[in-house]
Amino acid sequence: DVKVTQSSRYLVKRTGEKVFLECVQDMDHENMFWYRQDPGLGLRLIYFSYDVKMKEKGDIPEGYSVSREKKERFSLILESASTNQTSMYLCASTEKGRAPFTDTQYFGPGTRLTVL
Amino acid sequence: AQTVTQSQPEMSVQEAETVTLSCTYDTSESNYYLFWYKQPPSRQMILVIRQEAYKQQNATENRFSVNFQKAAKSFSLKISDSQLGDTAMYFCAFMKHPNFGNEKLTFGTGTRLTIIP
Repeated sequence: DVKVTQSSRYLVKRTGEKVFLECVQDMDHENMFWYRQDPGLGLRLIYFSYDVKMKEKGDIPEGYSVSREKKERFSLILESASTNQTSMYLCASTEKGRAPFTDTQYFGPGTRLTVL
Repeated sequence: AQTVTQSQPEMSVQEAETVTLSCTYDTSESNYYLFWYKQPPSRQMILVIRQEAYKQQNATENRFSVNFQKAAKSFSLKISDSQLGDTAMYFCAFMKHPNFGNEKLTFGTGTRLTIIP
């Protein structure tokens, strides 16, 4: 089974701190994604990466950056955490699509981040 | 840009009954995929069912089936013989056909489904 793990289930940080959220997948997937999940807003894509050292902005990249130095690991960085970044953060991965398209996104358990 | 709308924030149904969750989407793409994901309380998001837009036949997975109406841009999920374990947040999602394997999902806002014993 595909396994996507995230470094923390719960995290509490203070405003202005630099925050690292780590995601690791064990299935040699090319594509990895970071979402944030907020009530009434669903999941919104922050950044994604389709290869090592490659990244693309999603729908809400402001205030975030990412790093993908190794294929299995995709990090989300909050350079200076703010209270409006309090949220649930979900990581996902998928094998690069190829016909016939059968792959789906596999999600990690999520990190609930609270910024005080 | 694609949008996905789930107009039912919350629903509840008695165990063993059938329930239908609605989803509509807006896109100018002709080739795409639609998904229903399930997020149980404090558990990981998992895929429930997937539909390819070029297929006219509605997808089915055991007790889960979809009603895909391409012209109406509607993609509803039907859960038959509902079970307590179906209690979860359900998200509808859209993905246009991936080019070079770079696919992004656009999610709806979710429907919280509660199965009542």
